Amino acid sequence: GAGVSQTPSNKVTEKGKYVELRCDPISGHTALYWYRQSLGQGPEFLIYFQGTGAADDSGLPNDRFFAVRPEGSVSTLKIQRTERGDSAVYLCASSVTGPPYNEQFFGPGTRLTVL
Amino acid sequence: GIQVEQSPPDLILQEGANSTLRCNFSDSVNNLQWFHQNPWGQLINLFYIPSGTKQNGRLSATTVATERYSLLYISSSQTTDSGVYFCAVGADSNYQLIWGAGTKLIIKP
Repeated sequence: GAGVSQTPSNKVTEKGKYVELRCDPISGHTALYWYRQSLGQGPEFLIYFQGTGAADDSGLPNDRFFAVRPEGSVSTLKIQRTERGDSAVYLCASSVTGPPYNEQFFGPGTRLTVL
Repeated sequence: GIQVEQSPPDLILQEGANSTLRCNFSDSVNNLQWFHQNPWGQLINLFYIPSGTKQNGRLSATTVATERYSLLYISSSQTTDSGVYFCAVGADSNYQLIWGAGTKLIIKP
């Protein structure tokens, strides 16, 4: 079946602009995660959804970052007033159930560049 | 929180060689995954292995949970095995996966 998909694959924006990144999880997966990866480092956790609710948003760096999953499937990560430091690859993952016994499957990522 | 250490940080091998990558973790875990991040950035699941041994073709993995380490074995390396190998763990106290810094593997033809 289809894996996790993310759109767009690349996004270039100017400092101060608003961006939305979309994640389509594997069908039937109830848990969804957002991570951020900077060059040369491992992924950094941002937020975890179980169904429609954000069960853990402790990784969101500040209030410019927000994510939703209104119908328990597709999720959107929203970044307001983008800064150059937000440039990274944003990864989405999904799993059949939530933690702790959860094998996570990752999408191809969205490469965000803030000029 | 849990600390995850991977070794070696870098590994350069000739095609056909075998290799062992190690992942040490500082506390009990109930989720451990190995990933391969290819040169295009895609994270590919290799193993979900909180304990025991699994094999998939030329790759195998062993996790000894009581001693807090996991090993990934790659046999008869191919150039397509190049990339970064990540170990990531999860525990009751964490919703997110905690990641090691990765092992960068280069396979030369």
